[in-house]
Amino acid sequence: DVKVTQSSRYLVKRTGEKVFLECVQDMDHENMFWYRQDPGLGLRLIYFSYDVKMKEKGDIPEGYSVSREKKERFSLILESASTNQTSMYLCASSKRGSYNEQFFGPGTRLTVL
Amino acid sequence: GDSVTQMEGPVTLSEEAFLTINCTYTATGYPSLFWYVQYPGEGLQLLLKATKADDKGSNKGFEATYRKETTSFHLEKGSVQVSDSAVYFCALRGSGNTGKLIFGQGTTLQVKP
Repeated sequence: DVKVTQSSRYLVKRTGEKVFLECVQDMDHENMFWYRQDPGLGLRLIYFSYDVKMKEKGDIPEGYSVSREKKERFSLILESASTNQTSMYLCASSKRGSYNEQFFGPGTRLTVL
Repeated sequence: GDSVTQMEGPVTLSEEAFLTINCTYTATGYPSLFWYVQYPGEGLQLLLKATKADDKGSNKGFEATYRKETTSFHLEKGSVQVSDSAVYFCALRGSGNTGKLIFGQGTTLQVKP
């Protein structure tokens, strides 16, 4: 069974902390994505990566960075967490190719106090 | 830029009622279109897709037809069940090989027995 796993389901952090969200996929997919999900806004793409050590900005990259040192792992980093980054974060992966389905992890609900 | 607009929710139906969730899009070229579903506490999973005009995607009793003339991809089901209660997202993938998706804001469906 295909699997995308995220390191935490729930996370509570304080303003100014550095936060790491980890995502691992076991499907040997080239593409990996980080989204945030907010009520009424749907999913918005933060960053994506189409190969190891490659990354591209999505629609809302401000305040975030990413790291992809291994093909199966894609990390989202909040350098200095702020309250407006309280959200649900979803990771996804897909094979290279424009018709390939994205597989999603269960999400991490991050609260920044 | 490309965008997806879904009907506002929540949608509340009785079991066995007919479901329509409207989705329209704006895109250049010939996008692929998708419906994803998110059950409570889970990540998104692909429900159905269509990759060219007049294609009909179908799965689990749900259907959607890619209508280029009206730029629409409405989701329908003839008889909903309580287990269909979820959030439904319409999405498009534009041209290019990165696999990026653009999502609508999501529509919450609640089916009552």
